[in-house]
Amino acid sequence: GENVEQHPSTLSVQEGDSAVIKCTYSDSASNYFPWYKQELGKGPQLIIDIRSNVGEKKDQRIAVTLNKTAKHFSLHITETQPEDSAVYFCAASRRYGNNRLAFGKGNQVVVIP
Amino acid sequence: DTEVTQTPKHLVMGMTNKKSLKCEQHMGHRAMYWYKQKAKKPPELMFVYSYEKLSINESVPSRFSPECPNSSLLNLHLHALQPEDSALYLCASSQARTGGRYEQYFGPGTRLTVT
Repeated sequence: GENVEQHPSTLSVQEGDSAVIKCTYSDSASNYFPWYKQELGKGPQLIIDIRSNVGEKKDQRIAVTLNKTAKHFSLHITETQPEDSAVYFCAASRRYGNNRLAFGKGNQVVVIP
Repeated sequence: DTEVTQTPKHLVMGMTNKKSLKCEQHMGHRAMYWYKQKAKKPPELMFVYSYEKLSINESVPSRFSPECPNSSLLNLHLHALQPEDSALYLCASSQARTGGRYEQYFGPGTRLTVT
């Protein structure tokens, strides 16, 4: 099955700086890559996703890039704010199939004011 | 609107109790999911319903019994749980289980403690 690795496990950034989280996947048939943000005591929130026919997608301060050849995708957060502090999970799945999301282990992002 | 609601928010139960978790969505989604999440870990898939029929059971012990009474509701019946079953139980839904609209939206979860 799909195996998703996520690095680094913890990331501390100064407010206003950028944060980048990288994930790699193993199944070349995976073609859907969502990112979830989970704040303490809450459920995961879908913040952005990308499909394999697109190399980059942006939504305000958040962007995701995908390199299909290298089988990795990254989340970029610019101008970080304290409310960006959370655990971020990447995931991968096949669009046409059983849509099991294979999650990475998660990344704790801490934005220092 | 991408809201999935779950009740209760917190639940404490003994090992001999029977309780149920409830999940509701009004987005017209036809796929619904139960996940279990332990602290500092990603969600683990338990069950998937598609068009109110159970389509995936990830070899979950029979002390967990899912039910999908209609397209908006999903229940998880709990009986004779073990302390190691203590976790955050998350419900999610997507427009379809596969194909074009499969983005999964999660509810806030039920924090379950088994004593």
